[in-house]
Amino acid sequence: KQEVTQIPAALSVPEGENLVLNCSFTDSAIYNLQWFRQDPGKGLTSLLLIQSSQREQTSGRLNASLDKSSGRSTLYIAASQPGDSATYLCAVNGNDMRFGAGTRLTVKP
Amino acid sequence: SQTIHQWPATLVQPVGSPLSLECTVEGTSNPNLYWYRQAAGRGLQLLFYSVGIGQISSEVPQNLSASRPQDRQFILSSKKLLLSDSGFYLCAWSPEGGTEAFFGQGTRLTVV
Repeated sequence: KQEVTQIPAALSVPEGENLVLNCSFTDSAIYNLQWFRQDPGKGLTSLLLIQSSQREQTSGRLNASLDKSSGRSTLYIAASQPGDSATYLCAVNGNDMRFGAGTRLTVKP
Repeated sequence: SQTIHQWPATLVQPVGSPLSLECTVEGTSNPNLYWYRQAAGRGLQLLFYSVGIGQISSEVPQNLSASRPQDRQFILSSKKLLLSDSGFYLCAWSPEGGTEAFFGQGTRLTVV
């Protein structure tokens, strides 16, 4: 069974810092990996989708990489802002879709 | 365009009462459908997923069941709720073949 781990569990940074969130998974037989953002009490908003054949995807200040063979993905956030504060979840899509426990990010003004 | 609807948004139910949460998808056919539960401060636990009508895969033994009576309808049910069933329930869909996933707004269930 696919297991997904996210490190760190929580992160607090001052505004303007660049930061990296990590996601690892145990089974490399995946179709894609997706990063989501969740605000408190809300549903999930898709940020980036990386197909298994791709190495990275970029959207604005966000860049996600995928190393399928080592079972790792990173989400890089450049020039963080207080509005980036949320929980970030990675989901690995194989036969089903499995989530990590998330990284709770706080960006302080 | 595709949309996903999940209701109700919040629900307070007594212990022992039944449950029915509904999720429907519009604008696509034969989607993969998922039910997740998120306990307070925890990640998403996959409860059920379905790749077609009447095809339900269950992840963990629990007090819940799921059904897919129509192609774009996914229902989460319980005959008798437990206190431990409280949580945030999320429905999701992805296109056949499993590409990008999209989520509903969730149902906050409180069992009292």
